Amino acid sequence: NAGVTQTPKFRVLKTGQSMTLLCAQDMNHEYMYWYRQDPGMGLRLIHYSVGEGTTAKGEVPDGYNVSRLKKQNFLLGLESAAPSQTSVYFCASSYPAGGPPYEQYFGPGTRLTVT
Amino acid sequence: EDQVTQSPEALRLQEGESSSLNCSYTVSGLRGLFWYRQDPGKGPEFLFTLYSAGEEKEKERLKATLTKKESFLHITAPKPEDSATYLCVTMSGNTGKLIFGQGTTLQVKP
Repeated sequence: NAGVTQTPKFRVLKTGQSMTLLCAQDMNHEYMYWYRQDPGMGLRLIHYSVGEGTTAKGEVPDGYNVSRLKKQNFLLGLESAAPSQTSVYFCASSYPAGGPPYEQYFGPGTRLTVT
Repeated sequence: EDQVTQSPEALRLQEGESSSLNCSYTVSGLRGLFWYRQDPGKGPEFLFTLYSAGEEKEKERLKATLTKKESFLHITAPKPEDSATYLCVTMSGNTGKLIFGQGTTLQVKP
């Protein structure tokens, strides 16, 4: 099993550009999450999904959109990138069907720089 | 308000010098407490889940314990490869919300 994978690993954007980050998991998890991690701020939840076709806002959703068209994939979009979105983005998944256990499994991260 | 506080923020140990990391929490209806390890430039790696006070889990040199107000991650005879940031996370049973601690950065010198 590959676990949770993220593409791309690195990306540099100019202010105003758009991009999509892809997260994929092969553990048949129901829940998927997008976080950002900034120095001194810890992990903050952007959006999450409790199942295929459903999404919900987390702690810091502004400037981001998400979609969960397939159970194994969770996409994070930036429509108009801003320097404040420079961060490391982590995807995570949890809840095999009928859970617990509740622990999350994280991907390797995407390092995004917006200039 | 649900809150997770980890201490110390940073810890330096000599190889073989045992110690403990602390995670204090106030969570409405704790559903679970999780410990993760995060290496620089990588995603958090799951270590343990603790569900109820009195529970203990062990893995190699690590042992996690849980009381009604805090959790400890005990590191016995650490090695340099144990150097990492250790994250404590709780899940509220009332809201299902995850609350992350800020982490303890451990450095083990040979």
